[in-house]
Amino acid sequence: EAQVTQNPRYLITVTGKKLTVTCSQNMNHEYMSWYRQDPGLGLRQIYYSMNVEVTDKGDVPEGYKVSRKEKRNFPLILESPSPNQTSLYFCASSARGTSYNEQFFGPGTRLTVL
Amino acid sequence: AQSVAQPEDQVNVAEGNPLTVKCTYSVSGNPYLFWYVQYPNRGLQFLLKYITGDNLVKGSYGFEAEFNKSQTSFHLKKPSALVSDSALYFCAVRDGAGSYQLTFGKGTKLSVIP
Repeated sequence: EAQVTQNPRYLITVTGKKLTVTCSQNMNHEYMSWYRQDPGLGLRQIYYSMNVEVTDKGDVPEGYKVSRKEKRNFPLILESPSPNQTSLYFCASSARGTSYNEQFFGPGTRLTVL
Repeated sequence: AQSVAQPEDQVNVAEGNPLTVKCTYSVSGNPYLFWYVQYPNRGLQFLLKYITGDNLVKGSYGFEAEFNKSQTSFHLKKPSALVSDSALYFCAVRDGAGSYQLTFGKGTKLSVIP
């Protein structure tokens, strides 16, 4: 089954404790992206990657890191989480061409930073 | 910079009535426009897109959208609403001449009343 998986689905952590949210897709997609969803703000892009070893900042990259060492994986790293990073996070992927933006979304990771 | 506006936070419609969810956009080049739907506790799902060609595009679940260049709008429509259409709807835009970054609106909650 074609899918984007994220782990963990739910995470409660404390300020300053480094964490990683994993994202994996099995569709051989070139493009991957991370978004955060906050009430009243919609989805905002954090980082995106056009292909392996190619990443770029989205609209709200501060406090986040990403890496793309393999085509299927695109982990999101919070080196020192803060309460303002409490949010619902989505990973997405899509294939090359005009269908680049027919993105497949993961189920989401709800992060709470205390 | 590209942007999307969804002027209504919530739209209520009676089952069987036509529905419209509004979206306006701003890009410097040619717009690539998208609608996504989010059901409770799920990731976003692609509904339809406009890249070029016919201004009326048809998508999944009986939805359609009309691209209006002069009004910079891309409203989502359905002739007869179902209770199961109740969800959060997001409009998104990408500058066809620019980067692959996709910008989402804040979302409109659609409630279909039985």
